[in-house]
Amino acid sequence: KNQVEQSPQSLIILEGKNCTLQCNYTVSPFSNLRWYKQDTGRGPVSLTIMTFSENTKSNGRYTATLDADTKQSSLHITASQLSDSASYICVVRDSGTYKYIFGTGTRLKVLA
Amino acid sequence: NAGVTQTPKFQVLKTGQSMTLQCAQDMNHNSMYWYRQDPGMGLRLIYYSASEGTTDKGEVPNGYNVSRLNKREFSLRLESAAPSQTSVYFCASSEAFWGGGNQPQHFGDGTRLSIL
Repeated sequence: KNQVEQSPQSLIILEGKNCTLQCNYTVSPFSNLRWYKQDTGRGPVSLTIMTFSENTKSNGRYTATLDADTKQSSLHITASQLSDSASYICVVRDSGTYKYIFGTGTRLKVLA
Repeated sequence: NAGVTQTPKFQVLKTGQSMTLQCAQDMNHNSMYWYRQDPGMGLRLIYYSASEGTTDKGEVPNGYNVSRLNKREFSLRLESAAPSQTSVYFCASSEAFWGGGNQPQHFGDGTRLSIL
């Protein structure tokens, strides 16, 4: 069964610190992998999209990596800010059905 | 440029009542989607419309119907609401369902629906 698993479920860090969120997937055939940020009470917003041939992509202080061989991705947040407090969702697209499989997200809280 | 707009933002229904959730996008996207988000679960696809004039079932379509009214609007209807349909509903759009390359889905801010 196609699945996307994220860890940790939740994370608390101090402002200014770095953190890394993990995503493992079993989706096959693979099209692309996306990271979304979802603020409380809002819809998800796209951070990065990576295809099979890309192993890193950055968006400001957010850097995503992809290892298509091991089916793992990570999202690294540098110099965290209070505004980074949100849920981060990993999404993998199935290239056979074109559908998106969503992880359950990592809830990040950044403390002052 | 509003993106994806959903109405209403909140709604409380009694079991057995019906209602329609509205969604409109102003990005000239071809494809639109309805998802539900429940605690501890990833977003699950209810229905999607790959292009104007077409609709297809997603992962959890039971108890729902949809209408792609035109290219901009895609509505979700609950004919006889049940407590199990208490959830947050998100509408999304993208340039193309088939292929679509690296284009992201754009989401509205959701409708929070409680069914008593």
